[in-house]
Amino acid sequence: NAGVTQTPKFRVLKTGQSMTLLCAQDMNHEYMYWYRQDPGMGLRLIHYSVGEGTTAKGEVPDGYNVSRLKKQNFLLGLESAAPSQTSVYFCASSYNSGADTQYFGPGTRLTVL
Amino acid sequence: GIQVEQSPPDLILQEGANSTLRCNFSDSVNNLQWFHQNPWGQLINLFYIPSGTKQNGRLSATTVATERYSLLYISSSQTTDSGVYFCAVESNSGYALNFGKGTSLLVTP
Repeated sequence: NAGVTQTPKFRVLKTGQSMTLLCAQDMNHEYMYWYRQDPGMGLRLIHYSVGEGTTAKGEVPDGYNVSRLKKQNFLLGLESAAPSQTSVYFCASSYNSGADTQYFGPGTRLTVL
Repeated sequence: GIQVEQSPPDLILQEGANSTLRCNFSDSVNNLQWFHQNPWGQLINLFYIPSGTKQNGRLSATTVATERYSLLYISSSQTTDSGVYFCAVESNSGYALNFGKGTSLLVTP
């Protein structure tokens, strides 16, 4: 049981490049989330999904897109990376709604030059 | 959205000391969790505690939902307790967690 995994662990992009971050969970959770963490701050929600085929915007969705084609995977895309998107990205999942324990992946450290 | 304030922002303890971390929130919640982010960045769930008291070894947490605060107690602290402690809450109308800015704890030998 791997829990929540994220790939890649590290990535450096140039401004304007695109990339996709992959989150996978093997706990049969319905709910999945993408957060970003910036220095000295807590985590902020980017997008979330309440089930396969659904997505919704969080607090800071601009510049990101997401897809949940399979229940176990939640993809976060950056179409045209900007330096302001330099951050650590965390994926999380939970079985039920937010009123449930959320389990976090190890994070992806992204630098945009 | 719901506001979450944590105090103190920073804390330095000597090994063996006890500490109390506080989390205040601005609205009714149906989910409150405490996390520990270790120096390698991994977020570990400590407690799911929207109300009441729970204990796990040297750690315990109490949430008084009617007064909109939660406390995390660390007893007999160890150097491995170092890291950042986050409180995160979800309002009754939300789906995801709102995080505080954390308390950065350093335990020295």
